[in-house]
Amino acid sequence: DIQMTQSPSSLSASVGDTITIICRASQTISTYLNWYQQKTGKAPKLLIYATSNLQSGVPSRFSGSGSGTDFTLTISSLQPEDFATYYCQQSYNNPLTFGGGTKVEI
Amino acid sequence: EVQLVQSGAEVKKPGESLKISCKASGYSFTNYWIGWVRQMPGKGLEWMGVIYPGDSDTRYSPSFQGQVTISADKSITTAYLHWSSLQASDTAMYYCARLRWLHLDFDYWGQGTLVTVSS
Repeated sequence: DIQMTQSPSSLSASVGDTITIICRASQTISTYLNWYQQKTGKAPKLLIYATSNLQSGVPSRFSGSGSGTDFTLTISSLQPEDFATYYCQQSYNNPLTFGGGTKVEI
Repeated sequence: EVQLVQSGAEVKKPGESLKISCKASGYSFTNYWIGWVRQMPGKGLEWMGVIYPGDSDTRYSPSFQGQVTISADKSITTAYLHWSSLQASDTAMYYCARLRWLHLDFDYWGQGTLVTVSS
């Protein structure tokens, strides 16, 4: 199985900050990397697919980059509704695997 | 509007069987894979498996192969997750989600079904 490692596991930030979350794969996954946001008590929501493509309806302050084994999710000008947990997910092969999550707190 | 509506919370005893459901609407049910994702209390997301309702082709994560059964009834656009014998370690939130095959991402999610297994 491909292991997905996210860092940090949690971070504190303020409204207006720019933050970056890192996701590292245990082997190369090209650009087969997706990002999700999960708010407490809610289902995950797809933010970015194939490394850098914004899902419909997702604000442009979210962006993704990377390839191979190293990927980043950047949130510019953090808004109050962005405080949540973020997960990466590799879609390179079976089984699909998720990172452990990064909790973004105020 | 695409919607996935899951069945309600369940409380079961170890050894009991259970089938939870995911009712899809707003899209062609037989043209998309549907997957199941587990989230244990306070933990991250784990992909369990997917089914293609068009022909019932099913793929499982090796971690869940033999532990659960995924099925679908296209006549009522509903997918299912079934346990024949629950264990306490099956206590978790379970989400169904629509899978887009091109990018293998989950673009729509159900609201989740909480399964509690306790004696």
